[in-house]
Amino acid sequence: QSVLTQPPSASGTPGQRVTISCSGSSSNFGRNYAYWYQQLPGTAPKLLLYRNNQRPSGVPARFSGSKSGTSASLAISGLRSEDEADYYCAAWDDSLSGFVFGTGTKVTVL
Amino acid sequence: EVQLLESGGGLVQPGGSRRLSCAASGFTFSSYAMSWVRQAPGKGLEWVSLISGSGGRTYYADSVKGRFTISRDSSKNTLYLQMNSLRAEDTAEYYCAKVEECGGDCYLPPENWGQGTLVTISS
Repeated sequence: QSVLTQPPSASGTPGQRVTISCSGSSSNFGRNYAYWYQQLPGTAPKLLLYRNNQRPSGVPARFSGSKSGTSASLAISGLRSEDEADYYCAAWDDSLSGFVFGTGTKVTVL
Repeated sequence: EVQLLESGGGLVQPGGSRRLSCAASGFTFSSYAMSWVRQAPGKGLEWVSLISGSGGRTYYADSVKGRFTISRDSSKNTLYLQMNSLRAEDTAEYYCAKVEECGGDCYLPPENWGQGTLVTISS
């Protein structure tokens, strides 16, 4: 059972900005970093953002993240067709002593 | 370059056992915790288990506690997941992942993932 809640879907036209929210609790986002992953169809998850808002090498600056209190968000600006994928948030949960993942958001480029 | 290569997946009967392996390279294996994460067909990501870099601490999701055992062999740079009493709901792609420790019982979500190995539980 996912502890982090995301909207099931989000969409936009090319060039638009899309934002995905991720709602957690004091035991995960309240104390620990938010991470974001992108999963293209048939592939393994790929790290998109770490430590709330840091981009790994190779991830475009169009992807940005933030965290406030017990929620985190991912923004994709200048939406492109190759951004069509599933996106997951994640964090360590101190109460569960384990990782928790978001329910996942499917992004569609119209 | 970090590489994680899972193996051991396949078709298993309900109640059966299976051991998954994950061969790691490109980093100092003993310096990092390792984790297993699974994804049922068409579903989201579910954390399964984690082992510290030293192997001295292990953690399990409630859904697998008492049935699965995580272990590691630093001499072989290999992570394992022994799965017993398998159920239909254990059917999933199983990914191994490299995890950074941040002190005590603190771990950062995975930065590197393998390509996964599929485990199917069916009679």
